[in-house]
Amino acid sequence: AQSVAQPEDQVNVAEGNPLTVKCTYSVSGNPYLFWYVQYPNRGLQFLLKYITGDNLVKGSYGFEAEFNKSQTSFHLKKPSALVSDSALYFCAVRDRGYSTLTFGKGTMLLVSP
Amino acid sequence: DVKVTQSSRYLVKRTGEKVFLECVQDMDHENMFWYRQDPGLGLRLIYFSYDVKMKEKGDIPEGYSVSREKKERFSLILESASTNQTSMYLCASSFSRTSGNEQFFGPGTRLTVL
Repeated sequence: AQSVAQPEDQVNVAEGNPLTVKCTYSVSGNPYLFWYVQYPNRGLQFLLKYITGDNLVKGSYGFEAEFNKSQTSFHLKKPSALVSDSALYFCAVRDRGYSTLTFGKGTMLLVSP
Repeated sequence: DVKVTQSSRYLVKRTGEKVFLECVQDMDHENMFWYRQDPGLGLRLIYFSYDVKMKEKGDIPEGYSVSREKKERFSLILESASTNQTSMYLCASSFSRTSGNEQFFGPGTRLTVL
């Protein structure tokens, strides 16, 4: 079985400060890991993914994520938050033996001016 | 750029009506998916398809059916809509199921069943 947890329903950060959105996963084999962002009344937009190789993955809009196999985590980070980063963020996992993605419940990121 | 389009952004239907949600992708992707999104529950997979005329049940298929007559089009059907099917419905597509390809999402259809 595969599962993913986003332990925070909401993350609040001031503009200009670094942000972290947490994600942990559980798979029986090796994972593919993804981050998506959703703006209000929109579909999901792909941000970045980990397939193999370098544990630090860089993606769109200045976001990055670090794959940590020992802690089974894939936290999303950005060095300096923008108000426009305020949105709903989803982490997703796929075990390489599986066919479909499992999504977390989402974390609302609110960046205050 | 991959484009996934959904036939309606907003839809209001009455209990018992048959509802069709259409999804079209323009990148010749093999795989197509239907999810529903509810607050606090994230995205849940309803059905998916790896090829024309092929379908697989996801995590919550009850009350839904699908059709994929052409590679680019994947339809979700609510045979007899109920109020508990009020939700945001998201369609997605991806190139191949055998690698780490990301899924591309449509804008969503917000369905209200009265």
